[in-house]
Amino acid sequence: EVQLVESGGTLVQPGRSLRLSCVASGFTFDDYAMHWVRQIPGKGLEWVSGISFNGDDTAYADSVEGRFTISRDNAANSVYLEMNSLRPEDSALYYCTRGYFDWMSRSEYWGQGTLVTVSS
Amino acid sequence: EIVMTQSPATLSVSPGERVTLSCRASQRIASNLAWYQQKLGQAPRLLMHTVSTRANGVPAKFSGSGSGTEFTLTISSLQSEDFAIYYCQQYNSWPLTFGGGTKVEIK
Repeated sequence: EVQLVESGGTLVQPGRSLRLSCVASGFTFDDYAMHWVRQIPGKGLEWVSGISFNGDDTAYADSVEGRFTISRDNAANSVYLEMNSLRPEDSALYYCTRGYFDWMSRSEYWGQGTLVTVSS
Repeated sequence: EIVMTQSPATLSVSPGERVTLSCRASQRIASNLAWYQQKLGQAPRLLMHTVSTRANGVPAKFSGSGSGTEFTLTISSLQSEDFAIYYCQQYNSWPLTFGGGTKVEIK
């Protein structure tokens, strides 16, 4: 059974940094692309970032480009999202998702999310 | 950025009815179109990918069609468990983008 468990979400002040983590299990982690998708409670979905199976390629939404960094550790079956210069508009539930073999891919499995609140 | 537009925003239907949800892309996206279902308080779930391929475990009452820029998700004979919000997503070019969602509610 595929499982994705996110952690790291918390209340943080504007301008500060935060690192989200996602531990995966139930599949061969280093075969698949991974993504982060966020959702403001009660609102729609916004794709945030994606990383290829080996970590060589990354992509970002314009809204986070230059502030967020996605990375992965295949030995630890984990993907991370380093978020810097946080803004109130970054407040959302952040989902870790498993993509497909292709780097540019749909989100086949989703975690339950970790909540980030950016507020003073 | 490719803009995905879903219509209608809300659909009020009675159980047993057939519904069709629309999704339009601002540019051609080949067949790189997915649909997700999100129930209240839950994470989204992949329903359909590559326009018309059902994800694992998705019943045959869900079907997808379309090409180029116009796509539809059809749900035949709606049951109580199908009332949810449905999102389309293009994964043809970066950044990946979602539509705003269609809420299917009980009439």
